[in-house]
Amino acid sequence: KQEVTQIPAALSVPEGENLVLNCSFTDSAIYNLQWFRQDPGKGLTSLLLIQSSQREQTSGRLNASLDKSSGRSTLYIAASQPGDSATYLCAVSRESQGNLIFGKGTKLSVKP
Amino acid sequence: NAGVTQTPKFQVLKTGQSMTLQCAQDMNHEYMSWYRQDPGMGLRLIHYSVGAGITDQGEVPNGYNVSRSTTEDFPLRLLSAAPSQTSVYFCASSYSGPLGNIQYFGAGTRLSVL
Repeated sequence: KQEVTQIPAALSVPEGENLVLNCSFTDSAIYNLQWFRQDPGKGLTSLLLIQSSQREQTSGRLNASLDKSSGRSTLYIAASQPGDSATYLCAVSRESQGNLIFGKGTKLSVKP
Repeated sequence: NAGVTQTPKFQVLKTGQSMTLQCAQDMNHEYMSWYRQDPGMGLRLIHYSVGAGITDQGEVPNGYNVSRSTTEDFPLRLLSAAPSQTSVYFCASSYSGPLGNIQYFGAGTRLSVL
């Protein structure tokens, strides 16, 4: 059974720091991996999607990498801002229209 | 473009009552799904649908029923509410495009069963 783990569960950093969020999964037979952002009391917003054949994706200050063989992904946030404060969720899918298996998230707080 | 719309946003039920959580999407996505989010458990899949007339169970289907008569709508029915169904429910839709199957989530329905 696929399990997704995110470390750390919570992270507090001062504004301007570069930071890394980690995601690991137990079964390397994935189709893709997605990183989501969830603000308190809100739904999920897709940040980056990495296909299993890709190594990384970038969007603005965000960079996500994927090492499928080792079952790991990282989300790198450059020059963090207070507006980046949210919970970040990692999820994997086995199929192209497949269901997502989520980690429990990392709650990020960026202090001004 | 409204995306994925869930109603109601909040609901309080008594044990044994039934209700339907509504989900509608205007993006013509074939795939739709329902998740529940509980503290310490993350999001777990309840039911999903790959197209109108086709539904299947996810990880935690007991106590829930779904149907998909149109591409746009995917309601989730609680047959006889129990306190264990107190949770936040999210509906999602997706399509397979050149960037993969990016999933779009609704804002959620916060359900409390007393």
